[in-house]
Parts: sequence; C-alpha cells; structure tokens
Amino acid sequence: NAGVTQTPKFQVLKTGQSMTLQCAQDMNHNSMYWYRQDPGMGLRLIYYSASEGTTDKGEVPNGYNVSRLNKREFSLRLESAAPSQTSVYFCASSPQATGHDTQYFGPGTRLTVL
Amino acid sequence: AQSVTQPDIHITVSEGASLELRCNYSYGATPYLFWYVQSPGQGLQLLLKYFSGDTLVQGIKGFEAEFKRSQSSFNLRKPSVHWSDAAEYFCAVVTTSGNTGKLIFGQGTTLQVKP
Repeated sequence: NAGVTQTPKFQVLKTGQSMTLQCAQDMNHNSMYWYRQDPGMGLRLIYYSASEGTTDKGEVPNGYNVSRLNKREFSLRLESAAPSQTSVYFCASSPQATGHDTQYFGPGTRLTVL
Repeated sequence: AQSVTQPDIHITVSEGASLELRCNYSYGATPYLFWYVQSPGQGLQLLLKYFSGDTLVQGIKGFEAEFKRSQSSFNLRKPSVHWSDAAEYFCAVVTTSGNTGKLIFGQGTTLQVKP
C-alpha cells in the first residue's frame, strides 16, 4: 500500500523557471492538500481540494496554482519560481475535509530556487 | 484567529528519561487537536488526536497527551524515551469554515535523544 506518493523528491530551479510537483494517493480519499514547510514556521497550507473538481486557497497561495486531475492526483505548479519558494513541499490526503479526519502525508519534495 | 504555539523549539533528553512537549492553542470553542511526528527525511505521521470525551488521549509508540481547557494546553508525554523517538513533533488545531476544516500547525519541537 503506497499511501501518498510525491515526485520528484528533490529539485533545483533557477529563478523564473516553472515546474509541477506531482502527488497521488491510493486510499480513495476525497480531500487532498499541499503544504510548505519552512524552518521555525511549521507547515502552512498552500491549497487544498475538498473533493474532486474543487480547489481552494489556503494560508499562502500566492505564486502557486493547483490542479485536481482526478480523485487520485493533485498537482502543484510554480509558474515562475522565486527564491522565497525554496522549501519542502508536502502533499497530504484525508477521507473528508471536515478537519476531523486524519491527514496522511507524502514523503515531501525538497525544492531549491537559485 | 486560531493559532498554536509550541514554546520549545529544541529539547534534549536522555534515553530512558521522561518527556513532555508543550502545546498551547488559541480557539474559541472546543478544539480538535492533533500531534504529528516527523522523522528525519520523512513525511508527518499522526501520533494521536483529541476531539471530545476523556481528556487523556493515548496514541501510538507509547505517547499520550492531556487536554486541559483551563490552560489551553495539549501537552504530549512519554514516560521513557527511546533513541528512535528523535524527530520533530508538531501540534495542530483544526480551524473550520462551513463544512471544511483545515489544520493550523505549531512551529514544531525538535527532540534530540542522548544515549
């Protein structure tokens, strides 16, 4: 049982380049999330998808876009990367987006923007 | 606005010693509270959660947490720490808007275990 998978594991970009972070879950969960983790700041929600076909902004959405491709997949896109987007990105999923359900996290993508 | 504070950024304990990690929350109603653990290079794993009922909650790996409304706290404890417990620990509270709930995380506490 793979759970939540993320690709790539590591990425280095130059300022202004674009890239897409991929996330997939095999637990038949309705809700999916993207977080970024920065030292001393915990995890902050970028975007989430409460159910297939819906996406909403979280706490720090600027500079990002998302696509809920289907029930399994939720991608995060950086259109023009900036050094401030250097971070570790985590994808998560949960059965529902009520907040009561446990969120299951992927292993993360470490992104460096030069 | 809801918030979570973990006052200790870094804690070092000896193997076999007891552990308490502090978590304070700000929330108007009855909070839904979580503790997650992140081992080095890994994603987050749920340790335990509190919604209602018994204020002492048991979790995995021998951890427990106690909800104290009067102190707005949800501290994590373990009677005897093992070297494998070295990790970063996050407390989180759920903030709700309509039918949607989202997690607000604390800053995290890094636990180092001395042999």
